[in-house]
Amino acid sequence: SYVLTQPPSVSVAPGQTARITCGRNNIGSKSVHWYQQKPGQAPVLVIYYNSDRPSGIPERFSGSNFGDTATLTISRVEAADEADYYCQLWDSSSGHYYVFGTGTKVTVL
Amino acid sequence: DVQLVETGGGLTQPGESLTLSCEVSGFSVSGSYMSWVRQAPGKGLEWVSVIFGNGDTYYAGSVKGRFTISRDSSVSTLYLHMNSLRAEDTAVYYCVRLYCNGVFCGDAFDVWGQGTMVTVSS
Repeated sequence: SYVLTQPPSVSVAPGQTARITCGRNNIGSKSVHWYQQKPGQAPVLVIYYNSDRPSGIPERFSGSNFGDTATLTISRVEAADEADYYCQLWDSSSGHYYVFGTGTKVTVL
Repeated sequence: DVQLVETGGGLTQPGESLTLSCEVSGFSVSGSYMSWVRQAPGKGLEWVSVIFGNGDTYYAGSVKGRFTISRDSSVSTLYLHMNSLRAEDTAVYYCVRLYCNGVFCGDAFDVWGQGTMVTVSS
């Protein structure tokens, strides 16, 4: 099956760095995008094309993608960063087209 | 301001049909890459369907043959026609625009509506 594997949860203290991984065989050959979703709200695109930030997204959010793992990094974590985060990619070759990761709950301690 | 507003959700019975609408503003629905993404209660995001700028349409395997995506540029609206609904179709349905900068199009979901809840239950 076509699965993008994320850790279910990540806990981080304010001011520290949170790293959220997204795993799949050879994911580095694809463009990966990341979304933040707070409770009761629609998702928001925070990183696209592996490492680009949409306007309005703080520089504290960064991304990388190499080998079998894509990573979303949140530096100097704030309480407002507490949310669910999803990775996503597009791949027409498998017939799945748009695939989301399993999601990671980031808790700010 | 770019905005997407979904309507049409509600409670319906298994086997019934429902049509969701998404009125867009701030850009043209024709020629844009538009999609529907759903989220079952307490679950993750699941892509449902997409319509490309050239009108090509694609569907997730779980809805193929039952759901139809379409658009009407005269009323700036995207639709999702859902037939033969099942309990497992219960979810919040988001209307989403896909990012396009003229070079890269259709990879990332850059603008989301607020979602409309569909509940399929007898």
